[in-house]
Amino acid sequence: GENVEQHPSTLSVQEGDSAVIKCTYSDSASNYFPWYKQELGKGPQLIIDIRSNVGEKKDQRIAVTLNKTAKHFSLHITETQPEDSAVYFCAASKTNTGGFKTIFGAGTRLFVKA
Amino acid sequence: EAGVTQFPSHSVIEKGQTVTLRCDPISGHDNLYWYRRVMGKEIKFLLHFVKESKQDESGMPNNRFLAERTGGTYSTLKVQPAELEDSGVYFCASSQGLGGGADTQYFGPGTRLTVL
Repeated sequence: GENVEQHPSTLSVQEGDSAVIKCTYSDSASNYFPWYKQELGKGPQLIIDIRSNVGEKKDQRIAVTLNKTAKHFSLHITETQPEDSAVYFCAASKTNTGGFKTIFGAGTRLFVKA
Repeated sequence: EAGVTQFPSHSVIEKGQTVTLRCDPISGHDNLYWYRRVMGKEIKFLLHFVKESKQDESGMPNNRFLAERTGGTYSTLKVQPAELEDSGVYFCASSQGLGGGADTQYFGPGTRLTVL
């Protein structure tokens, strides 16, 4: 069935360093790839997304890359700060007739050490 | 603008009991989704409503789970009877329902269900 693999499950970096989280997806028809950040006690919040017609997207310290041929996509956080510590989820979805069935990765717990 | 709200935030029940979770989406959002995350694993899709209609319920685990969205506003997810493996965090999300393109989903804070 459809699935999304996410690595690593845990990532610890020093403040100011970069963090990279990688995901692969199985359904070649997937065309929308959002990334969510979940802080303690809250639900996942969209932080950035990328569509299949784009290879890279950047928003301040966050960037995403997509390789459709290899079916993988990555989240890059530069100049990490303690408030970046959270669980990050990648996801893949595809347009269907009524909406979007979204398949999530298992999450990456990011620790940013001050 | 109020976000997606869920009630209760926590629920602890015994195996065999019934629990009903509620989700209030963002006002005006046609799409409503239920997800579940079991400890340390992925967030798994359960089902998707468009207004009051079930668009996709392929993720519902079994017939002990019943979701409704009467009137196309809030939704309830009932588990009856609950089993140990139903424990996890249940998330609700809503989206506006724009035609043709990807549609941002806004998540609620989740309901943590513990079945003893």
